[in-house]
Amino acid sequence: DIQMTQSPSFLSASVGDRVTINCKASQNINRYLNWYQQKLGEAPKLLIYNANSLQTGIPSRFSGSGSGTDFTLTISSLQPEDVATYFCLQHNSWPYTFGAGTKLELK
Amino acid sequence: QVKLLQSGAALVKPGASVKMSCKASGYTFTDYWVSWVKQSHGKSLEWIGEIYPNSGATNFNEKFKGKATLTVDKSTSTAYMELSRLTSEDSAIYYCTRSGFGVDYWGQGVMVTVSS
Repeated sequence: DIQMTQSPSFLSASVGDRVTINCKASQNINRYLNWYQQKLGEAPKLLIYNANSLQTGIPSRFSGSGSGTDFTLTISSLQPEDVATYFCLQHNSWPYTFGAGTKLELK
Repeated sequence: QVKLLQSGAALVKPGASVKMSCKASGYTFTDYWVSWVKQSHGKSLEWIGEIYPNSGATNFNEKFKGKATLTVDKSTSTAYMELSRLTSEDSAIYYCTRSGFGVDYWGQGVMVTVSS
């Protein structure tokens, strides 16, 4: 199985900060990497698919980059409503595997 | 809009089985695979497997073979997952999802509690 190593596990930032979250795959996954946001008590929501494509309806302050094994989710200017846990998912090969998550809170 | 409406929470005894449903709307049910994902309390997410409603074809995470059975009813656009021989390790939230670009839309989740 492909292992997804996500970092950091926990992140504290201020409103307006630029925030980056990383995922590293244990082998090449091309660009088959998605990012999700999960707020407390809710189902995850797709933010970015295929490494850098913004899902419909998602604010443009969210962006994704990377290919191969190294990927980054960037929030250009953190907003209070962005407090959540963020996960990555590789869908290059079965079984699909998730990163362990990054819990983002406001400083 | 795409919606996946899952059945309600379940409290089941160890050794028993549980079957949950996921009713899809807002898209052509037979055009997309349906995946199931497990989220254990305080832990990350695990992909269980997927089913293609048009043919019934499935792909599974080896870890869940023998534990999960996936079926669909095309007439009602509903997917089902049955979990068997339940133990405390199966207590979790289970999500059905649409497999578009990996996984795109998610149901609201079903909390399964295994307890005597």
